[in-house]
Amino acid sequence: QVQLQQWGAGLLKPSETLSLTCAVYGGFFTGYHWSWIRQSPGKGLEWIGENNHGGSTNYNPSLKSRVTISIDTSKNQFSLKLSSVTAADTAVYYCGRGRIPDIWGQGTVVIVSS
Amino acid sequence: QSVLTQPPSASGTPGQRVTISCSGSSSNIGSKTVNWYQQLPGTAPKLLIYTNNQRPSGVPDRFSGSKSGTSASLAISGLQSEDEAEYYCAAWDDSLNGPVFGGGTKLTVL
Repeated sequence: QVQLQQWGAGLLKPSETLSLTCAVYGGFFTGYHWSWIRQSPGKGLEWIGENNHGGSTNYNPSLKSRVTISIDTSKNQFSLKLSSVTAADTAVYYCGRGRIPDIWGQGTVVIVSS
Repeated sequence: QSVLTQPPSASGTPGQRVTISCSGSSSNIGSKTVNWYQQLPGTAPKLLIYTNNQRPSGVPDRFSGSKSGTSASLAISGLQSEDEAEYYCAAWDDSLNGPVFGGGTKLTVL
């Protein structure tokens, strides 16, 4: 069955760039949208953005100026970069398959603290 | 504040039927389909219901979903202790041009 495995740095200082990668195992990579969503106690589940594999991206307007979601088809992976992080970006970050994900990665705790 | 509105908590005894509501607007639930997720502590959300009332393979038929107008509901019948979890609704939102989520409902099995 399809599994998403994600990784990346979990502790950042303010102004640094958050970088996470999600690998897709056991299923088709092409033909799907690939998404990033975060969850924090204060804001609940928040959509970050998506890449439709054809190179087209769609980002939450509240984060658009700081977000890049890219895809590496050769590795069946997709990545999230969020620049200039602040404490407000502290959350659990999830990768997912689909525009409203049906399959989710295990989550990565990201803490932003000086 | 979440775009979709859910009650923060719900409870029931084993064997009972409980329902969880999710209220939205014309730009999301009113014109789009609804997903429901179950999240156990420390784990990722798991898809429970998609397209308003469809169950993925492996989800017991004790779980069912419905939608009417700008609201949706998740029903759990024959409540079991392992159903104790947080439940979230989600739908695409045309205003955001992205998915929106409910704030979550913590289900307690008494």
